[in-house]
Order: sequence, then structure tokens, then C-alpha cells
Amino acid sequence: GNSVTQMEGPVTLSEEAFLTINCTYTATGYPSLFWYVQYPGEGLQLLLKATKADDKGSNKGFEATYRKETTSFHLEKGSVQVSDSAVYFCALPNRTGGTSYGKLTFGQGTILTVHP
Amino acid sequence: SAVISQKPSRDICQRGTSLTIQCQVDSQVTMMFWYRQQPGQSLTLIATANQGSEATYESGFVIDKFPISRPNLTFSTLTVSNMSPEDSSIYLCSVVKHSRETQYFGPGTRLLVL
Repeated sequence: GNSVTQMEGPVTLSEEAFLTINCTYTATGYPSLFWYVQYPGEGLQLLLKATKADDKGSNKGFEATYRKETTSFHLEKGSVQVSDSAVYFCALPNRTGGTSYGKLTFGQGTILTVHP
Repeated sequence: SAVISQKPSRDICQRGTSLTIQCQVDSQVTMMFWYRQQPGQSLTLIATANQGSEATYESGFVIDKFPISRPNLTFSTLTVSNMSPEDSSIYLCSVVKHSRETQYFGPGTRLLVL
């Protein structure tokens, strides 16, 4: 099945700093790629997604580009805020197409803490 | 998107007891799933809840421990049976609606077993 490797944390930044969280994947074909965010004490929220190569997903100032050449989907934000402190998960379908419709494989998660 | 609610939001339970978690969606969905998130860990898929038939379990999870029901297209329950402290986790319900792969998650149920 497909798999994902995510940058280990935790990551600690000052407000307005630039953020990159690395995510690389191994997959058959070109599955959709996702970033989810989990704020303290809450469930997961879909942050952004990309459905094909070279697509750029974006939301709330975060961006990630689907790079098939490097099999990567790194999350970036130009200027982080204290409210961005959360756990970030990279994810993709367990298998591309077939009977694993809807099932997701998650990276190990990266804890981001932003200080004022 | 989909609005998903879970009950209870958290609970503290005694060893050997069982807890049933409910997941309610605001509209009909194609698929429903149950995940477990152990403390400080990523998410692990427990099973796919199938409407009108037995759930499909992932490797390492069995029906006797995690019985699941899905009586209709908007509701599912997960029971954690004969609990032990190792079952202390966040249990999350998720759904796939119209999009083939985009998945939406409920707020989770935080379970602590003493």
C-alpha cells in the first residue's frame, strides 16, 4: 500500500517566522494528497489538498505543492501566528483506486508551537 | 463538507467495562470510518462501518473488541468492549461524502480507562 513519511517534530517558531513541514510519499500512481490539522483538544480538520501532480493546495495562508518528481508535498506558510500552534498530519489514500476507497494513511504528525 | 458530532466528547471508565460512542452526520454520506489515536501518536484506522452489514476491520482489530453498527447513512456507533488502560485513546469518526477521497472528521471522543 501507499505510505507517507513526515518531518519529525516538534517544531518551535517565533511569530511571523517561515514554516516548512516536510512530507514525502510512496505510492502507486498519483493519488490525492492531504494536509490535516489538529488544534489542541479538537479533532482533525482538512487544511488543504491536491488531487494531481503540480497542483497547489492552499488555505489560511498555508500552501503545499504536489511534486511527483520528488514525491513530496511539503507544507509551507510565510508568516506563522500563535494560533497556528497545532499538530499537522500529511495523508494519502491507503491505495490508489481499487477497494481501499476512502481509507487514509497518515504520517506521524508534526507538533508546531509558535511563540509570541 | 459535513458536520459531524460525536457523543460523548470524553469519558473516564473503569477497567472491564464497555463504552459506546455515537457518530452523527448532518447529511447522508457514502462511507463512514472509525480511527484510533493513541496518546502522542498518529491515527490508525480501526474499521469501515458498512450500512446494513458487518463492518470491515483492519488488521489487528476484531469485532468482539470493537463492535460497530451503522443502521443508516447518517449514523454509526463504535463500542469499546472490556476496556483496559491500553484502550485510552481518542476515537474519531470520519466520513466521505461526494468527493472520492476527501475525508472529514468528527471532534473525537477522549477516553481514559483507569
